[in-house]
Amino acid sequence: AQSVSQHNHHVILSEAASLELGCNYSYGGTVNLFWYVQYPGQHLQLLLKYFSGDPLVKGIKGFEAEFIKSKFSFNLRKPSVQWSDTAEYFCAVGGSYTGGFKTIFGAGTRLFVKA
Amino acid sequence: KAGVTQTPRYLIKTRGQQVTLSCSPISGHRSVSWYQQTPGQGLQFLFEYFSETQRNKGNFPGRFSGRQFSNSRSEMNVSTLELGDSALYLCASSRDDSTNTGELFFGEGSRLTVL
Repeated sequence: AQSVSQHNHHVILSEAASLELGCNYSYGGTVNLFWYVQYPGQHLQLLLKYFSGDPLVKGIKGFEAEFIKSKFSFNLRKPSVQWSDTAEYFCAVGGSYTGGFKTIFGAGTRLFVKA
Repeated sequence: KAGVTQTPRYLIKTRGQQVTLSCSPISGHRSVSWYQQTPGQGLQFLFEYFSETQRNKGNFPGRFSGRQFSNSRSEMNVSTLELGDSALYLCASSRDDSTNTGELFFGEGSRLTVL
């Protein structure tokens, strides 16, 4: 079945710790890959995206993600988190699925950064 | 440039009632997608409209329906509400014309509570 799997539902880190959120998807065709973030009380917004080219993409606020095609993975990383990174993070995959094109989201990872 | 606007922001209904939610996309965006967000489930794709036509539909029962108007505004309707329909309903617009797998711009959502 077509799916997006995020490895952790909840992550708690201290400020300055490094972050890596895992994302794997099951899809064999050409895809667009995204990470979206939802800060408390705010709407979902794009963090970064991969369409083609360099598999290491950089987004806003120091986030980056690496697309590894052979592993169907698109993990999100940040070398040093801040308290303001507390949010819910969603991995998403856009492609052609049964019925047409759509973007499928993972279940989300809630990140809490302790000051 | 105005973002995606969803109304109403909050609503409470009782089982068996129906509800209509509205979404105004970003000016110039013709693709509108709807998602249901619940804790632990992430975002579940409901359907997507482009130029007043439903291009794709998720795995939701027929009680969930939608439509799009000539000005790209969209509505979704849920009939015979069930307790499990309580969720945040998100609308997202996209500027992609050929597919809806580019960056999605989200509204703040309509939070539906079914009692």
